[in-house]
Amino acid sequence: NAGVMQNPRHLVRRRGQEARLRCSPMKGHSHVYWYRQLPEEGLKFMVYLQKENIIDESGMPKERFSAEFPKEGPSILRIQQVVRGDSAAYFCASSPMGADHEKLFFGSGTQLSVL
Amino acid sequence: ILNVEQSPQSLHVQEGDSTNFTCSFPSSNFYALHWYRWETAKSPEALFVMTLNGDEKKKGRISATLNTKEGYSYLYIKGSQPEDSATYLCAAIRGSGNTGKLIFGQGTTLQVKP
Repeated sequence: NAGVMQNPRHLVRRRGQEARLRCSPMKGHSHVYWYRQLPEEGLKFMVYLQKENIIDESGMPKERFSAEFPKEGPSILRIQQVVRGDSAAYFCASSPMGADHEKLFFGSGTQLSVL
Repeated sequence: ILNVEQSPQSLHVQEGDSTNFTCSFPSSNFYALHWYRWETAKSPEALFVMTLNGDEKKKGRISATLNTKEGYSYLYIKGSQPEDSATYLCAAIRGSGNTGKLIFGQGTTLQVKP
């Protein structure tokens, strides 16, 4: 049973380009969460999605960032017109039922570097 | 704003020593507390989720306690081994209906010397 899969592992973009980060949850999990870890900081919640629905995007920057979790395929975190401050590690996690007391299963992250 | 604080920031112990770390959080509107273990170059791995005051959980040589009234949780490792070397993260959820919206501390990094 494969764990949470994120790709790419490393992504380099120049300022102004778009970054697309992909996350496939664990088999049987329909709840996906994205977290960001800025340099020297802890993990910060960005967004919670179920299939085809955004449940809570209170941690997402208002501009340039979007997330989706389509009926088929992985969840995508999209950052348009990247800036140097977007350089961070982006982690995806999943859970089976979306219950408050559930453990989250994390992927290995995507390290985004903006030149 | 809910702040989750962990101490110490880092810890070096000898193999066989027992150790413990602290996670503190505002006790108002508490809902759940998570502990994760994060080895270098790997993904965070869940250890425990606790919700009730006085909860105690155990997994092998690792155990955790929870005091929601005073807002702290302890993680204990008995007889530390080199493979216990990792960063230990705690995270709190405030209020119900905030599924997956964990507020993480900065972590305690443990190094166990053989």
